[in-house]
Amino acid sequence: QITLKESGPTLVKPTQTLTLTCTFSGFSLSTSGVGVGWIRQPPGKALEWLALIYWDDDKRYSPSLKSRLTITKDTSKNQVVLTMTNMDPVDTATYYCALTYSSSWYVYWGQGTLVTVSS
Amino acid sequence: QSALTQPASVSGSPGQSITISCTGTSSDVGGYNYVSWYQQHPGKAPKLMIYDVSNRPSGVSNRFSGSKSGNTASLTISGLQAEDEADYYCSSYTSSSTLESVFGTGTKVTVL
Repeated sequence: QITLKESGPTLVKPTQTLTLTCTFSGFSLSTSGVGVGWIRQPPGKALEWLALIYWDDDKRYSPSLKSRLTITKDTSKNQVVLTMTNMDPVDTATYYCALTYSSSWYVYWGQGTLVTVSS
Repeated sequence: QSALTQPASVSGSPGQSITISCTGTSSDVGGYNYVSWYQQHPGKAPKLMIYDVSNRPSGVSNRFSGSKSGNTASLTISGLQAEDEADYYCSSYTSSSTLESVFGTGTKVTVL
């Protein structure tokens, strides 16, 4: 059974750095073709793709957020970590991690974690 | 990189068919057969309904079908049911810069 679960702070202050962890089970991020991505959704708004890391450590980022994002993986812990610097209230959103076998579609998703940016 | 364009809302009566469009560019929808569709109920994570334009994952009803023509992809729901009422998002692989995927603006489907 494949599961993913996001964890991290629910509240961060403006200018702080957000660190989110995606802990997964049922697959290995060392298997060829596998990737884990991050997608966010502000309240009442559309999904926004953020970043993706592949089994071979290839990384992709949203151009508009590239300077603020870092994605890493710890294969031994079955975890993917996303950091986002200089948080702003507009970054308030539910953040999802999700599994892809193809880079273009996400077949399994975590439940999401709501992050609020407020002083 | 702009989001793919979808109608804000589409509605239909039970049993009817509806179609949701998703318009992009030659750098995404038009350039690759890597369009996917997601269903999202309130407070829930998105669920993959269609991948690679027209393929259904195991367990997804065959009432859902996908197609593409030029820079526009479409999701058709036939035999509309109350449980189909949800938000729907398209997504596409894109060759734009470092971006890997782009999502659509989302469509609210209402079952009358």
